[in-house]
Amino acid sequence: QQQVKQSPQSLIVQKGGISIINCAYENTAFDYFPWYQQFPGKGPALLIAIRPDVSEKKEGRFTISFNKSAKQFSLHIMDSQPGDSATYFCAASTRGSSNTGKLIFGQGTTLQVKP
Amino acid sequence: GAGVSQSPSNKVTEKGKDVELRCDPISGHTALYWYRQSLGQGLEFLIYFQGNSAPDKSGLPSDRFSAERTGGSVSTLTIQRTQQEDSAVYLCASSIRDGGSYEQYFGPGTRLTVT
Repeated sequence: QQQVKQSPQSLIVQKGGISIINCAYENTAFDYFPWYQQFPGKGPALLIAIRPDVSEKKEGRFTISFNKSAKQFSLHIMDSQPGDSATYFCAASTRGSSNTGKLIFGQGTTLQVKP
Repeated sequence: GAGVSQSPSNKVTEKGKDVELRCDPISGHTALYWYRQSLGQGLEFLIYFQGNSAPDKSGLPSDRFSAERTGGSVSTLTIQRTQQEDSAVYLCASSIRDGGSYEQYFGPGTRLTVT
């Protein structure tokens, strides 16, 4: 029940295209859903995050769509650029002072954007 | 300001030796997390520190792993009698955990290789 399932494992997109990565969870106690971007040799960098009281959040070219009833959320990268080529991780945690807030991560998606 | 820093960036050790990994969180961040990133297991939670509270050690894989956090700031992760399966990237993250802020910011990681 603690798992977060992420797909696809790898993704190749042409420059200017839309990249879509999907995640699904089981634990209904999760109430914070961040996405991280990781380049080789670097630590994960927080990209964008959403809470379950909204269905969509947009920051620049990055959008999270959230479907609470389906327990699914996705990352959309619009106008994908070669510089977006990286590994993307979805994650989930439970907020609140009585919880640790530890992140449960998906398995990651390696995105390659072709010029 | 300065981000999370970790040292060393790389560590090669022989099987059976002890290693210490260090994390300096972002100044003012009261919460500190250790995660491990390996090919087989992805990103997994190890341990959580918050202020003066007892740490959440539920993610530590064996009693060979321990961690401490001195003065509410720097943390050290110690692995005793290292095994080859301990080879991974060890990541530290910190968070404010106040006022509803739950974002975790990661350091660059320590790549541990056990030979």
